Amino acid sequence: KAGVTQTPRYLIKTRGQQVTLSCSPISGHRSVSWYQQTPGQGLQFLFEYFSETQRNKGNFPGRFSGRQFSNSRSEMNVSTLELGDSALYLCASSLVLGGSRTEAFFGQGTRLTVV
Amino acid sequence: TQLLEQSPQFLSIQEGENLTVYCNSSSVFSSLQWYRQEPGEGPVLLVTVVTGGEVKKLKRLTFQFGDARKDSSLHITAAQPGDTGLYLCAVSGAGSYQLTFGKGTKLSVIP
Repeated sequence: KAGVTQTPRYLIKTRGQQVTLSCSPISGHRSVSWYQQTPGQGLQFLFEYFSETQRNKGNFPGRFSGRQFSNSRSEMNVSTLELGDSALYLCASSLVLGGSRTEAFFGQGTRLTVV
Repeated sequence: TQLLEQSPQFLSIQEGENLTVYCNSSSVFSSLQWYRQEPGEGPVLLVTVVTGGEVKKLKRLTFQFGDARKDSSLHITAAQPGDTGLYLCAVSGAGSYQLTFGKGTKLSVIP
């Protein structure tokens, strides 16, 4: 079956711009989480969506937002980009069974560079 | 303060050598996961350990969960160049689906 698909793979933006990243989960997976990975901070949780609702949010400023559509596809948006937002953004999808989350499958990520 | 401390941060070894990497915390966890991330890819789950003292084997990889469920180790026997990658440990938050990761051990296996 197809894995988690993230688009685009690479992106270069200028400070002050905004960006939208997309994630298509594995078919049947309704939980989608987003993570930011940087060399200094490692992998950090951004937020998680399930059934089109944000269930949990990490410690990031309000410039970082997301949404989930009825087909479970998710987007995250970063407004007013800063140089420090340069990172690999990873999306992970999971099944939710009886309230428990199963294994998280990660996409290849979107490499965002802010110049 | 990092919830999960991984050591060493970097490791470069020759093919055929053995190695152990560690994941430590002062907190107790109900379970702990190990992932491997290769360059240009997302992390891939290797194993989940649940019971204190549990040992799981995956081919040449041996994972152990500490008796007190505060720490874990990953031992690789006869490392191969294909083992090269970033090894991450992670735990789930209580009552949430959030994964908290250590900063990882970057392993290079030289042919």
